[in-house]
Amino acid sequence: LAKTTQPISMDSYEGQEVNITCSHNNIATNDYITWYQQFPSQGPRFIIQGYKTKVTNEVASLFIPADRKSSTLSLPRVSLSDTAVYYCLFSGSARQLTFGSGTQLTVLP
Amino acid sequence: EAEVAQSPRYKITEKSQAVAFWCDPISGHATLYWYRQILGQGPELLVQFQDESVVDDSQLPKDRFSAERLKGVDSTLKIQPAELGDSAMYLCASSFGRGGLDTQYFGPGTRLTVL
Repeated sequence: LAKTTQPISMDSYEGQEVNITCSHNNIATNDYITWYQQFPSQGPRFIIQGYKTKVTNEVASLFIPADRKSSTLSLPRVSLSDTAVYYCLFSGSARQLTFGSGTQLTVLP
Repeated sequence: EAEVAQSPRYKITEKSQAVAFWCDPISGHATLYWYRQILGQGPELLVQFQDESVVDDSQLPKDRFSAERLKGVDSTLKIQPAELGDSAMYLCASSFGRGGLDTQYFGPGTRLTVL
């Protein structure tokens, strides 16, 4: 079963850049790395997906080293509204997504 | 922007009672998923439909849980009888295609409390 390891929690201050790292030692060749965000009492929301190197969209960047055994989600200049749980997971070779426990990011004023 | 609809948003029931949750996916999405999320944990897939067919229900407790998507559009998840350990958030999601690469769009969930 695809397994990821993330920090349980992180704190940051408004305006700072936040980097959340995820390790995935058993990622398969066909797997992409996907990040979801979840606010309390809401369903998860897709943030970004990548295979290797760097991917950037309007809300985040995703850095994936050459060995693909880890990935880093980068959130530029976070605000209070970025306080949420962030999940790193595989997608591609498996038909289903397997969520871990995620990282609780708390942004402080 | 199209959204996944779920109802009810909250449900309180007593153990041994039957409960049912409804989900209406985004129009045109072929794949529908039901997840269960226990407080403090990530979502756990219960069942996945491709159109009206079940493609994965390996984690569905079939002695008490059932799910259907009769016309390949909306779906119902039922629990009978409910147990205390079923208290959780039940999330529905849909995607345009099948497989993990497709972005899943989640509904707001149904919060179930079993007393």
